[in-house]
Amino acid sequence: ETGVTQTPRHLVMGMTNKKSLKCEQHLGHNAMYWYKQSAKKPLELMFVYNFKEQTENNSVPSRFSPECPNSSHLFLHLHTLQPEDSALYLCASSQGGGANNYGYTFGSGTRLTVV
Amino acid sequence: AQSVTQLDSQVPVFEEAPVELRCNYSSSVSVYLFWYVQYPNQGLQLLLKYLSGSTLVESINGFEAEFNKSQTSFHLRKPSVHISDTAEYFCAVSENTGFQKLVFGTGTRLLVSP
Repeated sequence: ETGVTQTPRHLVMGMTNKKSLKCEQHLGHNAMYWYKQSAKKPLELMFVYNFKEQTENNSVPSRFSPECPNSSHLFLHLHTLQPEDSALYLCASSQGGGANNYGYTFGSGTRLTVV
Repeated sequence: AQSVTQLDSQVPVFEEAPVELRCNYSSSVSVYLFWYVQYPNQGLQLLLKYLSGSTLVESINGFEAEFNKSQTSFHLRKPSVHISDTAEYFCAVSENTGFQKLVFGTGTRLLVSP
């Protein structure tokens, strides 16, 4: 158990479906992140939340909609996805900057397949 | 802004041989440096980190990395690899002030064969 839990681990959805990915951390961290990892591509940072406020959106299509109701929970709402959105979606959390920089703690990811 | 370069996309090596995975970074300010490992169908796990102090840092499973400021490098080494070390390895950098934001390299796949 890494301290960051992602559900579901696997998800298959049609292009017209609506689904949500969930991420939960009990590490007391104040920042949370969504990353997309596609085969043979570098990690793509999608969204950053710091103290529940979105601080970064890296030109992510609107069919991906993040939600951060509190510092412990992060959701990624999905609708009308495309097959090229199939990837491993990773959630991470961190304490933030300064002298206590210990990097990110990652979840195990959700393997998404869009059919 | 920082950037990370991992020149080797894949490194094949035989079991019990030494290995070095290269990482170079670019930043206009002081940095923290990290190596993460990813096993198949899993998230990234922190392998080791350099924050300050000794430039040589070690992990619990025999990996080590050395921070070289003049060469802006943070190469990962292991004197004798195991089959179980087969994984993807990511180097990452963040500024050591302000909001922590990790910038990752493209990853190096380490393939250990018998």
